[in-house]
Amino acid sequence: AQSVTQLGSHVSVSEGALVLLRCNYSSSVPPYLFWYVQYPNQGLQLLLKYTSAATLVKGINGFEAEFKKSETSFHLTKPSAHMSDAAEYFCAVSAPSGSARQLTFGSGTQLTVLP
Amino acid sequence: NAGVTQTPKFRVLKTGQSMTLLCAQDMNHEYMYWYRQDPGMGLRLIHYSVGEGTTAKGEVPDGYNVSRLKKQNFLLGLESAAPSQTSVYFCASSPRLLAGGIADTQYFGPGTRLTVL
Repeated sequence: AQSVTQLGSHVSVSEGALVLLRCNYSSSVPPYLFWYVQYPNQGLQLLLKYTSAATLVKGINGFEAEFKKSETSFHLTKPSAHMSDAAEYFCAVSAPSGSARQLTFGSGTQLTVLP
Repeated sequence: NAGVTQTPKFRVLKTGQSMTLLCAQDMNHEYMYWYRQDPGMGLRLIHYSVGEGTTAKGEVPDGYNVSRLKKQNFLLGLESAAPSQTSVYFCASSPRLLAGGIADTQYFGPGTRLTVL
């Protein structure tokens, strides 16, 4: 079965600073990986996804993530944080084994952007 | 398109009461999912459906039942609510699976906040 670990339940950055949200996955086979964002009192919205094409994936709102098989990581980055980026971010994994039709989500990272 | 909608947005129940949460999608998606979200635990899958008339158990199915009589609707029922079912419930839908039957992008509704006293 696959699993996801998000390091850091809360991350604070200053406006204009680099955003780095960490995600490590566990899967016995090559996975597909997703990052979702949840703004307060809203549902989850897809930021980007990796489906075994390019290892560097660009998403919406200036976010990108790099798949590193050797490190089993899929960290989310944005060069310059904006106040509107404050939200909770979830990493999710899907793999062709076990519950193949399901996404497995991490526990989430709350991003705070300081003025 | 409204996307994925959920009814109601908020609900307070007493222990032992029953209720049904309704999820509707207007995107003609085959796959639909019910999750619960609890602080520090991310989203956990309750039940899902791979098409009209089908349902399957997810990670935390106990205490819940579901039905998918119409392709666009996915109902989540609580027969006898318990305080442990206090949570935010999200419905999601997806149009397809990727190669190998792998889950693709899921589109989420706005959620239902349920409190069981």
